[in-house]
Amino acid sequence: QAGLTQPPSVSKGLRQTATLTCTGNSNNVGYQGAAWLLQYQGHPPKLLSYRNNNRPSGISERLSASRSENTASLTITGLQPEDEGDYYCSAWDSSLSAWVFGGGTKLTVL
Amino acid sequence: QVQVVESGGGVVQPGRSLRLSCAASGLTSSSNDIHWVRQAPGKGLDWVASVSYGGTYKWYADSVKGRFTISRDDSKNTVYLQMNSLRTEDTALYYCAKENNAFDIWGQGTMVTVSS
Repeated sequence: QAGLTQPPSVSKGLRQTATLTCTGNSNNVGYQGAAWLLQYQGHPPKLLSYRNNNRPSGISERLSASRSENTASLTITGLQPEDEGDYYCSAWDSSLSAWVFGGGTKLTVL
Repeated sequence: QVQVVESGGGVVQPGRSLRLSCAASGLTSSSNDIHWVRQAPGKGLDWVASVSYGGTYKWYADSVKGRFTISRDDSKNTVYLQMNSLRTEDTALYYCAKENNAFDIWGQGTMVTVSS
């Protein structure tokens, strides 16, 4: 099943702003939006946002998600060392009747 | 505290079978869709299968369709993944995840290694 497209890596400086992107099509990201997950090495993923900009309790307000047509974005302001990790987007694909993931973006905070 | 715990992983030869379990606690699993997502070593996340609350609806990735079967026993708050005709490319850490609009609760995963 075709997945979502994410850049493999993004590097930004401490306290800067990073914007991660996730591109799909009208059947997935453009249909119900995307969710964002963060995975630290050796740990399970953690949900950061869903349906574009709904944040579970405990997730930092420095994170905000948005969508423009078939591309979802996650913006992280005031980057901190703990923001380093692998970020994945996911969405339900109504055409495939399947969940699809992006390949992940490794965020490095310099 | 809401949590899901996977078990049943191990080392198995190609063509053999394995059954994974996902036990939910702190919630009624019957009220949520439950999913299996796997991650091959050093790779990204790969959705495998899902079962709706009540078990009426089931969905599978093309890569496992016809080989894997997802089921749930709500009396035991447990979801199963029966994996038959295993292939070397099925080697991965298998996560169970609860859904509430997205995969919001994940277990620690159980490792499946398919090797001769």
